[in-house]
Amino acid sequence: DVKVTQSSRYLVKRTGEKVFLECVQDMDHENMFWYRQDPGLGLRLIYFSYDVKMKEKGDIPEGYSVSREKKERFSLILESASTNQTSMYLCASSLVQERQQYFGPGTRLTVT
Amino acid sequence: SQQGEEDPQALSIQEGENATMNCSYKTSINNLQWYRQNSGRGLVHLILIRSNEREKHSGRLRVTLDTSKKSSSLLITASRAADTASYFCATDVYNQGGKLIFGQGTELSVKP
Repeated sequence: DVKVTQSSRYLVKRTGEKVFLECVQDMDHENMFWYRQDPGLGLRLIYFSYDVKMKEKGDIPEGYSVSREKKERFSLILESASTNQTSMYLCASSLVQERQQYFGPGTRLTVT
Repeated sequence: SQQGEEDPQALSIQEGENATMNCSYKTSINNLQWYRQNSGRGLVHLILIRSNEREKHSGRLRVTLDTSKKSSSLLITASRAADTASYFCATDVYNQGGKLIFGQGTELSVKP
């Protein structure tokens, strides 16, 4: 079974802190994605990556950056956390030829 | 309106009844996918239907796709309390390299 893990289930940070969210997949997937999920807004794509060291902006990249140094790991970075970044963050991965995405359990981030 | 709009937003039924959820989209797609999310967890892939398919079955799930109307429906037959979850459609838009666009979801409640 494909497994996508995220570093934390719950995280509380203060405004202005630098925050790292880690995602690891164990099935050699080329594609990896970061979403945020907010009530009434559904899932919105923040960034995605097709390969190591490659990244592309999604629909809402402002205030975020990403890093993919190894194929299995995709990190989301909040350079200076703000209260409007309080949300559920979901990581996903997929094979190019398969198209379905496998999701991690999510990280509920609260910025106070 | 957004790509991947879902209807209804919420649905409450009794165990044993069928549940039908609808999804509409705007642009050409490679495929359309349905996902399930239990409260506070990651999404789980249910079924994928390709743009050249009209109907697909998986256990108690039946998905239809009408590309002329740009719409899809998910039918869950003989529902169980354990089917209580949010259900999302996601469109794999043509020429977007595997990015998915998610609808806002239908919240299904199955009462025992």
